[in-house]
Amino acid sequence: DTGVSQDPRHKITKRGQNVTFRCDPISEHNRLYWYRQTLGQGPEFLTYFQNEAQLEKSRLLSDRFSAERPKGSFSTLEIQRTEQGDSAMYLCASSLAGNGEAFFGQGTRLTVV
Amino acid sequence: DAKTTQPTSMDCAEGRAANLPCNHSTISGNEYVYWYRQIHSQGPQYIIHGLKNNETNEMASLIITEDRKSSTLILPHATLRDTAVYYCIVRATQGAQKLVFGQGTRLTINP
Repeated sequence: DTGVSQDPRHKITKRGQNVTFRCDPISEHNRLYWYRQTLGQGPEFLTYFQNEAQLEKSRLLSDRFSAERPKGSFSTLEIQRTEQGDSAMYLCASSLAGNGEAFFGQGTRLTVV
Repeated sequence: DAKTTQPTSMDCAEGRAANLPCNHSTISGNEYVYWYRQIHSQGPQYIIHGLKNNETNEMASLIITEDRKSSTLILPHATLRDTAVYYCIVRATQGAQKLVFGQGTRLTINP
């Protein structure tokens, strides 16, 4: 297992377009998290899944954002009608339930022009 | 989760020990201290965590004061590759699952 994988690594999109990112967690990890990070700031929590259930969503996750983890394995994060303020690094992490150590992917850098 | 306070930046000479402080004066009895670091353009990397006893692993040592209101991450022999932003995070392993990152400490290792 090579760790948490995110795709794509970089995405440039025009304002108003929809984008979707994918995260493949470490295979035996049942918890999956999405974070967003803007330049010079620490990562900010967006949402978290345990298996296929989305258990917590941040207020940062506006109605233009949706995340899924349909079979409890990989997850997707979709942003509809992108805005320039959505430009950020989107990070995915996974962990085992009951173990606080989260493993992060390399992130997807989104640029909205 | 308890708030943590870290210096904005620190410098350390290559080969010396880097000591990164963190204050968490409002920590609760069931909250652990976690340290992550983020090297430029990469995702955060777990370093170490502890509850009240000092901890050591292959990457670092974690020293937690007896009153648990502060801690120090020690990188015993810093290398240039240790240049990164270091985050001190306090959280319980039960209940809230997310990590709450602050601004962290930007550690620069100088040759």
